Amino acid sequence: DAKTTQPPSMDCAEGRAANLPCNHSTISGNEYVYWYRQIHSQGPQYIIHGLKNNETNEMASLIITEDRKSSTLILPHATLRDTAVYYCIAENNNAGNMLTFGGGTRLMVKP
Amino acid sequence: EPEVTQTPSHQVTQMGQEVILRCVPISNHLYFYWYRQILGQKVEFLVSFYNNEISEKSEIFDDQFSVERPDGSNFTLKIRSTKLEDSAMYFCASSEGPGWVTEAFFGQGTRLTVV
Repeated sequence: DAKTTQPPSMDCAEGRAANLPCNHSTISGNEYVYWYRQIHSQGPQYIIHGLKNNETNEMASLIITEDRKSSTLILPHATLRDTAVYYCIAENNNAGNMLTFGGGTRLMVKP
Repeated sequence: EPEVTQTPSHQVTQMGQEVILRCVPISNHLYFYWYRQILGQKVEFLVSFYNNEISEKSEIFDDQFSVERPDGSNFTLKIRSTKLEDSAMYFCASSEGPGWVTEAFFGQGTRLTVV
Protein backbone atom coordinates (compact mmCIF):
# COMPACT_ATOMS: atom_id res chain seq x y z
CA ASP A 1 0.00 0.00 0.00
CA ALA A 2 1.15 3.55 -0.72
CA LYS A 3 2.17 5.43 2.41
CA THR A 4 0.31 8.68 2.88
CA THR A 5 1.57 11.75 4.68
CA GLN A 6 -0.73 14.35 6.20
CA PRO A 7 -0.13 17.33 8.46
CA PRO A 8 -1.05 16.38 12.02
CA SER A 9 -3.34 19.35 12.56
CA MET A 10 -4.96 22.30 10.83
CA ASP A 11 -7.28 25.12 11.76
CA CYS A 12 -10.01 26.62 9.63
CA ALA A 13 -12.43 29.47 10.18
CA GLU A 14 -16.10 28.60 10.14
CA GLY A 15 -17.65 29.29 6.74
CA ARG A 16 -14.33 29.20 4.94
CA ALA A 17 -13.05 26.42 2.73
CA ALA A 18 -10.92 23.80 4.43
CA ASN A 19 -8.19 22.40 2.20
CA LEU A 20 -6.61 19.26 3.58
CA PRO A 21 -3.50 18.05 1.78
CA CYS A 22 -2.24 14.51 1.44
CA ASN A 23 1.00 13.29 -0.04
CA HIS A 24 1.10 9.82 -1.59
CA SER A 25 4.21 10.02 -3.72
CA THR A 26 4.63 6.23 -3.96
CA ILE A 27 1.10 5.56 -5.12
CA SER A 28 0.75 2.97 -7.86
CA GLY A 29 -1.54 3.11 -10.85
CA ASN A 30 -4.28 0.92 -9.42
CA GLU A 31 -4.46 2.49 -5.97
CA TYR A 32 -7.49 4.54 -5.10
CA VAL A 33 -7.32 7.56 -2.80
CA TYR A 34 -9.93 7.45 -0.06
CA TRP A 35 -10.86 10.06 2.52
CA TYR A 36 -12.60 9.22 5.76
CA ARG A 37 -13.15 11.28 8.87
CA GLN A 38 -13.69 10.47 12.52
CA ILE A 39 -15.66 12.86 14.66
CA HIS A 40 -14.59 12.54 18.29
CA SER A 41 -14.74 8.81 19.12
CA GLN A 42 -17.41 7.90 16.60
CA GLY A 43 -16.91 5.36 13.84
CA PRO A 44 -15.03 6.56 10.76
CA GLN A 45 -17.23 8.11 8.11
CA TYR A 46 -16.62 7.81 4.39
CA ILE A 47 -16.24 11.12 2.58
CA ILE A 48 -15.08 10.57 -0.97
CA HIS A 49 -12.69 8.55 -3.12
CA GLY A 50 -11.06 8.77 -6.54
CA LEU A 51 -8.55 7.15 -8.83
CA LYS A 52 -7.39 9.74 -11.37
CA ASN A 53 -10.09 12.31 -11.91
CA ASN A 54 -11.26 14.97 -9.54
CA GLU A 55 -14.41 14.04 -7.71
CA THR A 56 -17.18 15.98 -6.00
CA ASN A 57 -20.08 14.93 -3.87
CA GLU A 58 -22.41 16.58 -1.39
CA MET A 59 -19.77 16.53 1.33
CA ALA A 60 -16.53 17.51 -0.37
CA SER A 61 -14.35 17.74 -3.44
CA LEU A 62 -11.25 15.67 -4.09
CA ILE A 63 -8.52 17.13 -6.24
CA ILE A 64 -5.86 14.65 -7.39
CA THR A 65 -2.74 15.98 -9.09
CA GLU A 66 -2.01 14.80 -12.60
CA ASP A 67 0.94 12.69 -11.42
CA ARG A 68 -1.27 11.31 -8.62
CA LYS A 69 1.42 11.92 -6.04
CA SER A 70 -0.76 14.15 -3.93
CA SER A 71 -4.35 15.12 -3.37
CA THR A 72 -6.41 17.73 -1.57
CA LEU A 73 -9.72 17.30 0.15
CA ILE A 74 -11.81 20.44 0.05
CA LEU A 75 -14.68 21.16 2.40
CA PRO A 76 -16.16 24.21 0.65
CA HIS A 77 -17.84 25.84 3.65
CA ALA A 78 -16.54 24.35 6.87
CA THR A 79 -18.86 24.25 9.88
CA LEU A 80 -18.13 23.55 13.52
CA ARG A 81 -19.49 20.03 12.96
CA ASP A 82 -16.67 19.38 10.49
CA THR A 83 -14.18 19.38 13.37
CA ALA A 84 -12.73 15.87 13.15
CA VAL A 85 -9.70 13.78 12.27
CA TYR A 86 -9.46 13.36 8.49
CA TYR A 87 -7.75 10.30 7.08
CA CYS A 88 -6.28 9.99 3.61
CA ILE A 89 -5.87 6.36 2.57
CA ALA A 90 -4.42 4.85 -0.58
CA GLU A 91 -5.50 1.28 -1.24
CA ASN A 92 -5.62 -1.26 -4.05
CA ASN A 93 -6.79 -4.80 -4.49
CA ASN A 94 -3.47 -6.16 -3.23
CA ALA A 95 -4.47 -4.82 0.17
CA GLY A 96 -7.37 -7.20 0.23
CA ASN A 97 -10.40 -5.72 1.85
CA MET A 98 -8.80 -3.71 4.60
CA LEU A 99 -8.38 0.02 5.04
CA THR A 100 -5.11 1.12 6.61
CA PHE A 101 -5.64 4.21 8.74
CA GLY A 102 -2.72 6.49 9.55
CA GLY A 103 -2.63 9.34 12.01
CA GLY A 104 -4.71 11.68 9.88
CA THR A 105 -5.13 15.44 10.14
CA ARG A 106 -6.98 16.86 13.11
CA LEU A 107 -9.06 19.69 11.65
CA MET A 108 -10.30 22.26 14.10
CA VAL A 109 -13.00 24.56 12.73
CA LYS A 110 -13.16 27.73 14.77
CA PRO A 111 -15.98 30.28 15.02
CA GLU B 1 -30.36 6.33 5.66
CA PRO B 2 -29.22 2.74 6.30
CA GLU B 3 -26.68 2.31 9.05
CA VAL B 4 -24.54 -0.25 10.78
CA THR B 5 -25.68 -0.82 14.34
CA GLN B 6 -23.56 -2.19 17.17
CA THR B 7 -24.50 -3.47 20.59
CA PRO B 8 -23.74 -2.93 23.36
CA SER B 9 -22.38 0.59 23.23
CA HIS B 10 -20.26 -0.10 26.30
CA GLN B 11 -19.15 -3.43 27.74
CA VAL B 12 -17.19 -3.91 30.94
CA THR B 13 -15.74 -7.33 31.56
CA GLN B 14 -13.27 -8.98 33.87
CA MET B 15 -9.96 -10.18 32.56
CA GLY B 16 -10.18 -13.75 31.34
CA GLN B 17 -13.88 -13.58 30.54
CA GLU B 18 -15.36 -14.13 27.10
CA VAL B 19 -17.14 -11.28 25.36
CA ILE B 20 -19.26 -11.14 22.24
CA LEU B 21 -19.66 -7.90 20.39
CA ARG B 22 -22.61 -7.70 18.07
CA CYS B 23 -23.19 -5.89 14.81
CA VAL B 24 -26.00 -5.63 12.31
CA PRO B 25 -24.49 -4.64 8.95
CA ILE B 26 -26.42 -2.86 6.22
CA SER B 27 -28.76 -5.40 4.69
CA ASN B 28 -27.55 -5.58 1.08
CA HIS B 29 -23.86 -5.44 1.94
CA LEU B 30 -21.67 -8.46 1.31
CA TYR B 31 -18.39 -7.55 3.04
CA PHE B 32 -18.05 -7.19 6.79
CA TYR B 33 -15.22 -5.95 8.94
CA TRP B 34 -14.03 -5.42 12.48
CA TYR B 35 -11.62 -2.67 13.40
CA ARG B 36 -10.44 -1.51 16.79
CA GLN B 37 -9.05 1.70 18.20
CA ILE B 38 -7.16 1.78 21.46
CA LEU B 39 -7.64 5.13 23.21
CA GLY B 40 -5.50 7.78 21.57
CA GLN B 41 -4.19 5.46 18.88
CA LYS B 42 -4.92 4.68 15.24
CA VAL B 43 -7.85 2.74 13.89
CA GLU B 44 -6.54 -0.80 13.28
CA PHE B 45 -7.93 -3.46 10.97
CA LEU B 46 -8.75 -6.79 12.60
CA VAL B 47 -10.61 -8.95 10.10
CA SER B 48 -12.75 -8.97 6.99
CA PHE B 49 -15.45 -11.51 6.22
CA TYR B 50 -17.02 -12.41 2.90
CA ASN B 51 -19.09 -15.33 1.68
CA ASN B 52 -19.24 -16.80 5.17
CA GLU B 53 -15.54 -16.97 5.70
CA ILE B 54 -12.64 -14.82 6.77
CA SER B 55 -11.02 -13.19 3.75
CA GLU B 56 -8.31 -11.16 5.52
CA LYS B 57 -7.03 -10.86 9.05
CA SER B 58 -4.33 -8.87 10.75
CA GLU B 59 -1.68 -10.00 13.22
CA ILE B 60 -3.87 -8.69 16.01
CA PHE B 61 -6.57 -11.21 15.13
CA ASP B 62 -5.04 -14.22 16.90
CA ASP B 63 -6.62 -17.40 18.22
CA GLN B 64 -8.40 -15.48 20.97
CA PHE B 65 -10.60 -13.80 18.37
CA SER B 66 -13.30 -15.28 16.20
CA VAL B 67 -16.07 -13.93 13.99
CA GLU B 68 -19.36 -15.40 13.01
CA ARG B 69 -22.41 -14.58 10.98
CA PRO B 70 -24.90 -16.75 12.88
CA ASP B 71 -27.93 -15.69 10.83
CA GLY B 72 -28.74 -13.46 7.89
CA SER B 73 -28.40 -10.24 9.79
CA ASN B 74 -25.91 -10.39 12.66
CA PHE B 75 -22.13 -10.33 12.56
CA THR B 76 -20.31 -11.01 15.81
CA LEU B 77 -16.80 -10.70 17.20
CA LYS B 78 -15.90 -13.01 20.06
CA ILE B 79 -12.91 -12.59 22.32
CA ARG B 80 -12.43 -15.85 24.24
CA SER B 81 -10.30 -14.77 27.16
CA THR B 82 -10.03 -11.02 27.43
CA LYS B 83 -6.82 -9.28 28.40
CA LEU B 84 -6.33 -5.78 29.76
CA GLU B 85 -4.84 -4.74 26.42
CA ASP B 86 -8.04 -5.68 24.62
CA SER B 87 -9.63 -2.53 26.06
CA ALA B 88 -10.53 -0.43 23.05
CA MET B 89 -13.31 0.83 20.83
CA TYR B 90 -14.38 -1.89 18.44
CA PHE B 91 -15.94 -0.79 15.18
CA CYS B 92 -17.92 -2.98 12.85
CA ALA B 93 -18.20 -1.97 9.19
CA SER B 94 -19.81 -3.26 6.03
CA SER B 95 -19.56 -2.53 2.33
CA GLU B 96 -21.25 -3.55 -0.90
CA GLY B 97 -17.99 -4.53 -2.54
CA PRO B 98 -14.37 -5.07 -1.54
CA GLY B 99 -12.95 -2.35 0.64
CA TRP B 100 -10.58 -1.06 -1.98
CA VAL B 101 -13.39 -0.24 -4.39
CA THR B 102 -16.42 0.85 -2.44
CA GLU B 103 -16.92 2.83 0.71
CA ALA B 104 -17.23 1.14 4.06
CA PHE B 105 -19.96 2.15 6.48
CA PHE B 106 -18.91 2.04 10.12
CA GLY B 107 -21.01 1.57 13.21
CA GLN B 108 -20.74 3.81 16.24
CA GLY B 109 -18.60 1.30 18.06
CA THR B 110 -18.57 -0.73 21.25
CA ARG B 111 -16.30 0.51 23.99
CA LEU B 112 -14.80 -2.56 25.65
CA THR B 113 -13.25 -2.08 29.05
CA VAL B 114 -11.38 -5.03 30.55
CA VAL B 115 -10.76 -4.74 34.28
